Amino acid sequence: QVQLQESGPGLVKPSETLSLTCAVSGYSISSGYYWGWIRQPPGKGLEWIGSIYHSGSTYYNPSLKSRVTISVDTSKNQFSLKLSSVTAADTAVYYCASSKYPSGAFDIWGQGTMVTVSS
Amino acid sequence: QSALTQPASVSGSPGQSITISCTGTSSDVGGYNYVSWYQQHPGKAPKLMIYDVSNRPSGVSNRFSGSKSGNTASLTISGLQAEDEADYYCSSYTSSSSWVFGGGTKLTVL
Repeated sequence: QVQLQESGPGLVKPSETLSLTCAVSGYSISSGYYWGWIRQPPGKGLEWIGSIYHSGSTYYNPSLKSRVTISVDTSKNQFSLKLSSVTAADTAVYYCASSKYPSGAFDIWGQGTMVTVSS
Repeated sequence: QSALTQPASVSGSPGQSITISCTGTSSDVGGYNYVSWYQQHPGKAPKLMIYDVSNRPSGVSNRFSGSKSGNTASLTISGLQAEDEADYYCSSYTSSSSWVFGGGTKLTVL
């Protein structure tokens, strides 16, 4: 049973880089699946940020692509999100998720972590 | 990329059936059979209810079904129950090798 757990700072200053990690348990990240990040601003809907395939291929939301990097660390069985030059608009609950389906539908989700951008 | 279009809210009485629509374009919903639906209760992470237009993951009630016609996908919930009250989001793969969500629909069970 795959389980995901997000971790990282809950407060980030404007213009700095938001960094989050998703620890994977119950499955080897190098064995397969898509691994992704989704966020949800307070009171608003879901926004897909990006995904990475176990092979290392990355896919990013075109509106965030210039600021986003998603990577995998197979030695620690985790994957990470970096979002640069953050503003208050990046304040949201950030979820990591995984998909065992080729279509990329996320069947396993972390509990989410709230990140606030404020000075 | 533009979010897929969903009604802001729908409602129904227990035992009834409701349908939530999700409208996109030929570059996303209409172009691929990669539409998924998620249920989200307040303060909780989303839960996958339907993938690849009409497939249910193991453990999801058969009261939930999905379909697609042209650029519009639909989620139907039959035999509505109080526990179905939640926000529902559709999502689709796109021609830009990306995924896009709908704006979400709040389901109220009367």
